[in-house]
Amino acid sequence: EADIYQTPRYLVIGTGKKITLECSQTMGHDKMYWYQQDPGMELHLIHYSYGVNSTEKGDLSSESTVSRIRTEHFPLTLESARPSHTSQYLCASSASYEQYFGPGTRLTVT
Amino acid sequence: DQQVKQNSPSLSVQEGRISILNCDYTNSMFDYFLWYKKYPAEGPTFLISISSIKDKNEDGRFTVFLNKSAKHLSLHIVPSQPGDSAVYFCAARYYGGSQGNLIFGKGTKLSVKP
Repeated sequence: EADIYQTPRYLVIGTGKKITLECSQTMGHDKMYWYQQDPGMELHLIHYSYGVNSTEKGDLSSESTVSRIRTEHFPLTLESARPSHTSQYLCASSASYEQYFGPGTRLTVT
Repeated sequence: DQQVKQNSPSLSVQEGRISILNCDYTNSMFDYFLWYKKYPAEGPTFLISISSIKDKNEDGRFTVFLNKSAKHLSLHIVPSQPGDSAVYFCAARYYGGSQGNLIFGKGTKLSVKP
């Protein structure tokens, strides 16, 4: 099973602030993903990466950006947080079709 | 338009009985189906998967059944335990799509009563 870490676990921040959500995995997986999930709703893919220097936007439009400079690290950045960004953000990695998830970051923008 | 549907938002079962969670899909190009379990404030945990060329996969108390003609799969948990109380997500991978991206249903909240 993959070891995948996300920090912070919880974040409350004011409108207009820049934030970076961290995600790291220790399994050497090439593929990494960011999802957004609200209660009672499905997980929506917002970004994915198939390897270093490879990033793509997912199915759900997002104002966030990502980078993949190292295999194990896939941070997500919001340049200017808004209340509509309030959600749970989940990072995942995979070597094949099974994806392994981190514990998530619960973001609240006031 | 949802390609993976979990039509029951919630399910309540007595401890020791069988829990059956259902999932329907619309895309015949899905090649793998997965079930995840999620506790509040945690990330989803992979439970069990099934290839589209099989009709059953079993792992301990968990069995997944796939009916391709009906585009339907189900997760059976026997016997159900209070610790199984969580939200269960069905997910599907599109063959030939973006290298392994999954499409998730909205989840079913299972409550197992002692």
